Amino acid sequence: NAGVTQTPKFQVLKTGQSMTLQCAQDMNHEYMSWYRQDPGMGLRLIHYSVGAGITDQGEVPNGYNVSRSTTEDFPLRLLSAAPSQTSVYFCASTYLASGSQETQYFGPGTRLLVL
Amino acid sequence: EDKVVQSPLSLVVHEGDTVTLNCSYEVTNFRSLLWYKQEKKAPTFLFMLTSSGIEKKSGRLSSILDKKELFSILNITATQTGDSAVYLCVSYNTDKLIFGTGTRLQVFP
Repeated sequence: NAGVTQTPKFQVLKTGQSMTLQCAQDMNHEYMSWYRQDPGMGLRLIHYSVGAGITDQGEVPNGYNVSRSTTEDFPLRLLSAAPSQTSVYFCASTYLASGSQETQYFGPGTRLLVL
Repeated sequence: EDKVVQSPLSLVVHEGDTVTLNCSYEVTNFRSLLWYKQEKKAPTFLFMLTSSGIEKKSGRLSSILDKKELFSILNITATQTGDSAVYLCVSYNTDKLIFGTGTRLQVFP
């Protein structure tokens, strides 16, 4: 059981480049989400998904796309990177069954630098 | 607008001290409140609180929720240098987490 995995750990992009941050979990969690963490801003929700084929916007969705074709994977796409997207990105997942512990499992994070 | 506010933003103490971290929330469709500890990596889960007045304990850490006054506290007794971290308060409503900005705790020997 690998938990939540994220790749890459670190990435440098030039302004305007596109890339995909990968997130996968092997716990059969329905709920998956992406956050960005910036100094003094806490963790802010970008997009989330409550199951395969269902995604929705969070607090700061602009500039990011997501898809959820399988329960396991929830990639985050940056279509045209901007310096304002320099941040640490965390993927998380949760088992949503009623009465269960709503523990969020976080991936190790991806540090993104946009020049 | 849903929000979670933590105080203080930063706290510096000596080993052995007891600290209390505060969290207030205004969240629609509130479901639970969670505490996380974050060192130089991803947050790790500490507690989940859903009912008022029931204290949860794990070693030297404890937490309680007041759903009438919309706040929670996290207590750490006999602090150790290993407790140095950012502590995140998070409110969980029906479909998402709302994070506070965290309290940075530094424990010096």
